[in-house]
This record gives sequence, C-alpha cells and structure tokens, in this order.
Amino acid sequence: AQTVTQSQPEMSVQEAETVTLSCTYDTSESDYYLFWYKQPPSRQMILVIRQEAYKQQNATENRFSVNFQKAAKSFSLKISDSQLGDAAMYFCAYRAFTGNQFYFGTGTSLTVIP
Amino acid sequence: GAGVSQSPSNKVTEKGKDVELRCDPISGHTALYWYRQRLGQGLEFLIYFQGNSAPDKSGLPSDRFSAERTGESVSTLTIQRTQQEDSAVYLCASSTGLAGTTTYYEQYFGPGTRLTVT
Repeated sequence: AQTVTQSQPEMSVQEAETVTLSCTYDTSESDYYLFWYKQPPSRQMILVIRQEAYKQQNATENRFSVNFQKAAKSFSLKISDSQLGDAAMYFCAYRAFTGNQFYFGTGTSLTVIP
Repeated sequence: GAGVSQSPSNKVTEKGKDVELRCDPISGHTALYWYRQRLGQGLEFLIYFQGNSAPDKSGLPSDRFSAERTGESVSTLTIQRTQQEDSAVYLCASSTGLAGTTTYYEQYFGPGTRLTVT
C-alpha cells in the first residue's frame, strides 16, 4: 500500500523568510500525482501545488515551489517570502494515475512569526 | 458560484446513536469523495462516487458506515451505532471528472463536519 510520511509535525518561519516542508512517500507505481494541500483553521482544504511524476521539471506556483526527487521518493514544498496568511496545516498527498484513492500524510503545522 | 457545503458543521452524539452527515457538491461535479480526519492525523479515504457507477467503498472502516448518492446530487454518510473512535472531522470533496484516469481533476473540499461521540 502507498504511504506518505511527513516527519515534521511542526515548523515555524519568520515572516518574509523561506521554509521547506518535507514529504516522502512509498509506491511501486511509476506514474502518479503528488500534491500539497493547505488546511487553515477553517478546515477547508485548499490545493497549493501539484506535480505529475512523469514531469522532470519541478512545479511552481508563485511563492510555492517543490523539489521532486523521484528516485528518492521525496517531495518537499518550499514557501518563499512567507506571509502571515501562510500559517496553516500542510498535507502532502499521493494519487496513482489510475487510482481513485488519495493518500495523505499526517501534516505539518506551520507557524509564521511576525 | 457556491462551493461544496456540508451539514451540520458540528454534531455531538451519544455512543450507540446513529448519525447522518450531508454533503452538497458543486453543481455539475460528477465525482464525490468522503474522507475522515482524526485529530492530529491526515485524511483517510472512505468512499468515492462517480456519476451512476458503483461507488468505491474500499475505505469504509466497518459495516457501521454507509453512504449514498443519487446521480450527481447530494450525498449522505451514515454512521450507525456510533463509537467514540468515530469522533473526527468528516470531509467531503467533489470534482468535475473521473478519478482513475491520467487526467487530473481538482478536488474541491467542503468545510467538514466535526463529529463528537460522547
């Protein structure tokens, strides 16, 4: 079964600084999607960024970028120029290309210090 | 347009009672997921509906859990004879297209129902 591991339960960053959240996963599939979701206190999950495993180029969305290392099964999220609104739980997730199920990590709670 | 809505927002129930949770997906979204999120944990997949196809129930933890959806409309998740370990936030998500394909369709999540079993 696929597993997603986030080894950092909590992280903090100074406003305007850069922080990296770690994620590793285990799969025997060769084609899959990886995601980072943000969950603020409102509980509503919001997609931050998506990476297709067949793409070698790392995905980027404004201040958010990933470092995807397929051989190492690693998928980290870098947040640049951190803002107070970035404070939230961040979840890493996996879905096989041909699967219905999403597999989520246990999350990293990010605090942004003014 | 309106997003995914869920009701109730919070539900407190006594152990042994049945509860029904409701999800209203975004209009036109054919796919619908239910997830469970226990305190301090990630999301656990429960069930997936796609149009009129048979649902993928592989994530339901026991036969006390069931869900229904008629066509592309509202879905209800029912938990019978609730236990304290059922306490969690139950999240619903909908999307426009088929999972299980090489095309990705974004999931849009509702705000969840927080269930507390006393």
